[in-house]
Amino acid sequence: QVQLQESGPRLVKPSQTLSLTCTVPSDSFRSGDYCWSWVRQPPGKGLEWIGHIHESGRTSYNSSLESRVTMSFDASTNDFSLTLSFMTAADTGVYYCATGDSGSKIGHWGQGTLVTVSS
Amino acid sequence: DVVMTQSPLSLPVTLGQPASISCRSSQSLAYSDGISYLSWFHQRPGQSPRRLIHKASTRDSGVPDRFSGSGSGTYFTLKISRVEAEDVGIYYCMQGTHWPPITFGQGTRLEIK
Repeated sequence: QVQLQESGPRLVKPSQTLSLTCTVPSDSFRSGDYCWSWVRQPPGKGLEWIGHIHESGRTSYNSSLESRVTMSFDASTNDFSLTLSFMTAADTGVYYCATGDSGSKIGHWGQGTLVTVSS
Repeated sequence: DVVMTQSPLSLPVTLGQPASISCRSSQSLAYSDGISYLSWFHQRPGQSPRRLIHKASTRDSGVPDRFSGSGSGTYFTLKISRVEAEDVGIYYCMQGTHWPPITFGQGTRLEIK
């Protein structure tokens, strides 16, 4: 079982940039044809895929967020990160990191971190 | 974008009775390798989702065998043979065939009558 852990600020001011990191313990890291994803969930609502980064470094983003999103992967630390710029109240929600093989894309999830956008 | 439509959105079930959730996609989810990359997730209140089924019908490790997935093309079903109290929560289907974006269904809330 892959154990993922999100970390980052819980409160972000409007127009600021959110930076989150997902840490994968080295003993559960899988090397191969894997995608590392970010998914978010507004309070009381459904799941929205933000994007993913493949182990090759290739990224793919949801077009609704593409202009504001950057994802990166650090193979030396097993961390992967998300930055989302120009945050607004509509970006409030639980942010999950997740991973899975390149076929099914998402299999394992982190516990999620609630990010609130407020001044 | 591939639209995933689940039904019903609310599912009251008596303990020990079966339950079924359907998921329709706006395009066939059959990839060039013949596999439909359709997954089912269960999310309990306050928890992160847990995958139950991938590739339409492959049960994940540790998932009780009362859960089964079926379907192909644009129509998929998750069945619970006998609902238990721990099965309450929201069920989501997700497609990973046509991306970006990966898309989820709206969710089906299962509750005990």
